[in-house]
Amino acid sequence: ETGVTQSPTHLIKTRGQQVTLRCSSQSGHNTVSWYQQALGQGPQFIFQYYREEENGRGNFPPRFSGLQFPNYSSELNVNALELDDSALYLCASSLDQQVPNTEAFFGQGTRLTVV
Amino acid sequence: GENVEQHPSTLSVQEGDSAVIKCTYSDSASNYFPWYKQELGKRPQLIIDIRSNVGEKKDQRIAVTLNKTAKHFSLHITETQPEDSAVYFCAAREDSGTYKYIFGTGTRLKVLA
Repeated sequence: ETGVTQSPTHLIKTRGQQVTLRCSSQSGHNTVSWYQQALGQGPQFIFQYYREEENGRGNFPPRFSGLQFPNYSSELNVNALELDDSALYLCASSLDQQVPNTEAFFGQGTRLTVV
Repeated sequence: GENVEQHPSTLSVQEGDSAVIKCTYSDSASNYFPWYKQELGKRPQLIIDIRSNVGEKKDQRIAVTLNKTAKHFSLHITETQPEDSAVYFCAAREDSGTYKYIFGTGTRLKVLA
């Protein structure tokens, strides 16, 4: 196991609702990235948090937002859910974004279904 | 923008044969190229990686090659076994800014017993 834990593991929401997904990074890691993996696709970068600040964002609308806490755990919030938001959401933690060549460790993911 | 193309999308091989998956990346700033294996419903797991200062790396039955000039890298699995069946993703990581991963679209490998 990677030491990266995500909650919940599965979630069903109705279109228009809001959702919060959580990620506990591996001990000592201060960088957390979030990815969306639609069925049959590779993970797509949503954004990254480094030392509690957003540090880079992919092509996702503003209704995707996040937080990183002082203990480096992180949340992903999605407002006004759409059917296309149904996916596996993965978080990945790494030792320090400023240190090149550090490996990222993935959590088990949260499978979100929007109905 | 940055892009990673991965081929083939599906691959069936007989047990004991070799499997090769190829990826091409667009961002010349990429310097780290991991390969992930993802079994159904599970997290991607790193199986091997290669950095830009190395042309080839091997770990038992798995090897990865990198051609930085052509921006190509490949995964080679020899003596395939049924438990190798999974979806494999290549990725390229930019070596600046967010160090985000750009993933390929995946290859579903099926090893036939």
